Amino acid sequence: DQQVKQNSPSLSVQEGRISILNCDYTNSMFDYFLWYKKYPAEGPTFLISISSIKDKNEDGRFTVFLNKSAKHLSLHIVPSQPGDSAVYFCAASDSGANNLFFGTGTRLTVIP
Amino acid sequence: DTEVTQTPKHLVMGMTNKKSLKCEQHMGHRAMYWYKQKAKKPPELMFVYSYEKLSINESVPSRFSPECPNSSLLNLHLHALQPEDSALYLCASSQRQPYYEAFFGQGTRLTVV
Repeated sequence: DQQVKQNSPSLSVQEGRISILNCDYTNSMFDYFLWYKKYPAEGPTFLISISSIKDKNEDGRFTVFLNKSAKHLSLHIVPSQPGDSAVYFCAASDSGANNLFFGTGTRLTVIP
Repeated sequence: DTEVTQTPKHLVMGMTNKKSLKCEQHMGHRAMYWYKQKAKKPPELMFVYSYEKLSINESVPSRFSPECPNSSLLNLHLHALQPEDSALYLCASSQRQPYYEAFFGQGTRLTVV
């Protein structure tokens, strides 16, 4: 049973525009959320995280929004750059259970 | 040094072989993890070590045997694997549990023949 879902397997965006990647979760015990970026044949690279006590966290071009009532989070990348092209994984953690669950990933392609 | 180093990068083994995957970090992280990732699937947690003690085993078959010799090293011993165990095996570490900003290695691509 997939507790973290990314319903868009792929997304294409023009360079300079905004990329919005979405993630939904089902477990209300999740209290910490992370986004990872992954290139082929490499391990995931941590991008940005957010605790359930916040609804927004910003780091440079990357902003993560959390809507706890909807069990939904999103990653905004502005402006998008060709180097952002990769697979993006959303992950969620129940800190009390010490686990981490990954979504199925969204392949982002930024077109120059 | 913000690296998690995994060796080997690629491994081909027969079903009767015994091999080990190695993972090393020098960031002073006290939690280390093994994940398995099949093609077009998300990483799946296998084991978690916290302060060199096994704290989570996600119902992994006994043909996978983890070992944490010290706080910087994590091994995964493999024996009598099946072809369906072929996957990318990822090691990660974090300052502590839970997974605040876990750093991942590049993975070992394992093929069982």
